[in-house]
Amino acid sequence: RKEVEQDPGPFNVPEGATVAFNCTYSNSASQSFFWYRQDCRKEPKLLMSVYSSGNEDGRFTAQLNRASQYISLLIRDSKLSDSATYLCVVFPSGGGADGLTFGKGTHLIIQP
Amino acid sequence: ETGVTQTPRHLVMGMTNKKSLKCEQHLGHNAMYWYKQSAKKPLELMFVYNFKEQTENNSVPSRFSPECPNSSHLFLHLHTLQPEDSALYLCASSQGTDTQYFGPGTRLTVL
Repeated sequence: RKEVEQDPGPFNVPEGATVAFNCTYSNSASQSFFWYRQDCRKEPKLLMSVYSSGNEDGRFTAQLNRASQYISLLIRDSKLSDSATYLCVVFPSGGGADGLTFGKGTHLIIQP
Repeated sequence: ETGVTQTPRHLVMGMTNKKSLKCEQHLGHNAMYWYKQSAKKPLELMFVYNFKEQTENNSVPSRFSPECPNSSHLFLHLHTLQPEDSALYLCASSQGTDTQYFGPGTRLTVL
């Protein structure tokens, strides 16, 4: 089983719609979770951290379900500029920079 | 954003060449990383340096040789690479285990 799995998509979504995608992780001891955004031929940039209680940043909401070992990202009122690849990132343990694991990413296309 | 810079941005080299990738971070971080991103594959962590000491080497072939002379600079020395080493090489830095900030990457093509 892959350590971090994401549906690669692409997700084709009309502008203004709400879109959600999930990420599952295999290591139940994982402690830290992030969503990064990567535009075509650019470097990944942090979108938001994912906390156990769930967190929201504007149109973006991240949720963590430890029992089922998945993380979700919800984007409301999607904009054309949201088109990108969204990377799920997991730290398997609470400390130490080693072991950082990326998913392959979910490709999102917002259509006008 | 110029927090983490990488040079060159693009590199084409033959299998017998020797080249080096450079990364510099201006964020005062104490940890730096090299990642490889190949098409249709997830980001792969290659090397980790904490306070200039290498703490991680993810079974990377010896044709890749990292060097961290200080906490702000990181190099990746390349020699006798293979065509399958063609990829985007990303440098990142962080303060401890906090958020990692990525450089723009070097797109490497090995002929």
